[in-house]
Amino acid sequence: SAVISQKPSRDICQRGTSLTIQCQVDSQVTMMFWYRQQPGQSLTLIATANQGSEATYESGFVIDKFPISRPNLTFSTLTVSNMSPEDSSIYLCSVDGSQETQYFGPGTRLLVL
Amino acid sequence: GENVEQHPSTLSVQEGDSAVIKCTYSDSASNYFPWYKQELGKRPQLIIDIRSNVGEKKDQRIAVTLNKTAKHFSLHITETQPEDSAVYFCAAGGGADGLTFGKGTHLIIQP
Repeated sequence: SAVISQKPSRDICQRGTSLTIQCQVDSQVTMMFWYRQQPGQSLTLIATANQGSEATYESGFVIDKFPISRPNLTFSTLTVSNMSPEDSSIYLCSVDGSQETQYFGPGTRLLVL
Repeated sequence: GENVEQHPSTLSVQEGDSAVIKCTYSDSASNYFPWYKQELGKRPQLIIDIRSNVGEKKDQRIAVTLNKTAKHFSLHITETQPEDSAVYFCAAGGGADGLTFGKGTHLIIQP
């Protein structure tokens, strides 16, 4: 499976600020996804990062709050904008392997004060 | 959209016994059903998956069954060991779609 890295691994931010999370894969992949995992909860899909076009957002998530870039087949960023304490979560990127399998990055732990 | 229900939320079994976790899904278009294991502070790890053209799949002590008509699938772990203790998530999806996850099952293996 692909080797996936995320930066930063964790951060503590002040409310009202923004944080950009990077996801890097060691091989070209077609699909990249961003998920949120709130403390003690399951994973929720935020959006699909499409290479060369706008991201596709799930219900309840909007581009102004979570802008996403996908400049090539190995890299994507997720920005959490105008943060509030409710945005404190783990943010995970995932990539597709062979036959629709999805593998997850190590996650970014975000705490908003 | 897809909705995935997972039961039980917590499962405690004696070491060596079997554990079964069950999930149901709502979208008949879903055709891919993975299971992830997540240990505390770590990323979800894919442990087994099944596609809609298959009814059962086994990998050593782990097996998954799928009933497309009833829209449910289950994870079976036999001969449980302490290292099986973790949170397990089922998910449903397929194609270019992301995955919809169940709420998770906290599996506790009692020594």
